[in-house]
Amino acid sequence: DGGITQSPKYLFRKEGQNVTLSCEQNLNHDAMYWYRQDPGQGLRLIYYSQIVNDFQKGDIAEGYSVSREKKESFPLTVTSAQKNPTAFYLCASSSKRGNTGELFFGEGSRLTVL
Amino acid sequence: GQNIDQPTEMTATEGAIVQINCTYQTSGFNGLFWYQQHAGEAPTFLSYNVLDGLEEKGRFSSFLSRSKGYSYLLLKELQMKDSASYLCAVRGVYGQNFVFGPGTRLSVLP
Repeated sequence: DGGITQSPKYLFRKEGQNVTLSCEQNLNHDAMYWYRQDPGQGLRLIYYSQIVNDFQKGDIAEGYSVSREKKESFPLTVTSAQKNPTAFYLCASSSKRGNTGELFFGEGSRLTVL
Repeated sequence: GQNIDQPTEMTATEGAIVQINCTYQTSGFNGLFWYQQHAGEAPTFLSYNVLDGLEEKGRFSSFLSRSKGYSYLLLKELQMKDSASYLCAVRGVYGQNFVFGPGTRLSVLP
């Protein structure tokens, strides 16, 4: 079945460490996104990519980095420069084809900094 | 600037009807989306409006007024499983950038 796979589901990190969250989709979607969600808050955009080898910063890109070397993959690195990285991270994709172009989400990765 | 507003919390009774409002001010508009999110899970797509009017999908309906920057999600015949957060999102004109509101946490009581 087509979908978006995020891994790991849960991740613990010590302060000062970089971690990379994986996001893979087999929906043949052009656009991919990373959102961050904090308790009781909506989704905030970190980075998005509309085509391979191109990506744009969202509202809260500081302390994060991404790459888009393949259409299927859009990994997010949370660097030690991110001051408050504990959050729920959601990867999504969308297609310009089709009726609505809605976002499809992965199951999410919950990052906790110890 | 972009701003999307929703009530933080709502409570309703099983079997009742509830309306969740969303107001927005965005620099561009190319569609409004409603998502449902159960605690600890990913959001799932509920509805889409790009033209003014009402879109109906079973127990769920969504309304849009572009001139007023206003939308609502109407849930009928509420069930306990409808207890979740409901997110309103606006897609911008350029690219496929989506901006989300803070979400409304709905509690359905027996």
